Amino acid sequence: DQQVKQNSPSLSVQEGRISILNCDYTNSMFDYFLWYKKYPAEGPTFLISISSIKDKNEDGRFTVFLNKSAKHLSLHIVPSQPGDSAVYFCAASEETSGSRLTFGEGTQLTVNP
Amino acid sequence: EAGVAQSPRYKIIEKRQSVAFWCNPISGHATLYWYQQILGQGPKLLIQFQNNGVVDDSQLPKDRFSAERLKGVDSTLKIQPAKLEDSAVYLCASSWTWGLGSGNTIYFGEGSWLTVV
Repeated sequence: DQQVKQNSPSLSVQEGRISILNCDYTNSMFDYFLWYKKYPAEGPTFLISISSIKDKNEDGRFTVFLNKSAKHLSLHIVPSQPGDSAVYFCAASEETSGSRLTFGEGTQLTVNP
Repeated sequence: EAGVAQSPRYKIIEKRQSVAFWCNPISGHATLYWYQQILGQGPKLLIQFQNNGVVDDSQLPKDRFSAERLKGVDSTLKIQPAKLEDSAVYLCASSWTWGLGSGNTIYFGEGSWLTVV
């Protein structure tokens, strides 16, 4: 039962353009969502998060949008830079489970110079 | 600030052998997690500690996996006996406390790569 899904295994964009990474979830009890970035041979690094009481959170070049009715969230990176090339994981948590994260499969983003 | 430390980084063992991984969380972090990441998948929580007590081990295969955090700081994850399907990256993570938001974030180590042959 895959409760968090990232349907695009890979995404390629040009430097300076917008990158949009998508994530869908099925568990309506999820109330906190996070994005992690992972470089090869490293652990995931926290990027940005959003609570279910919000529909948008912005941090510099990164913005996360949450659509609760559609059970969908997205990560926008503007402008994209070659250093952003990594695997991006969407993760979700529900308050009753404390801080257990349920991860998606990840999307490999490649930003071409 | 030092990050989450893990060792060994890489381990190759034969099936039915045992292996142990060590984790030292960020100083002051009360909550410690072990995740398993199989190639091509997202990390999956195996066990979560709050100080030296187990909060969640519902996804830990207890017939072969065990973990402890005796003094509420370092933790060890053991697999005995190992199976081929245990080949994965074992990620240790920590956070200030239990529950997310309000500035509480989960930080991951670089992982311990296990290959079972």
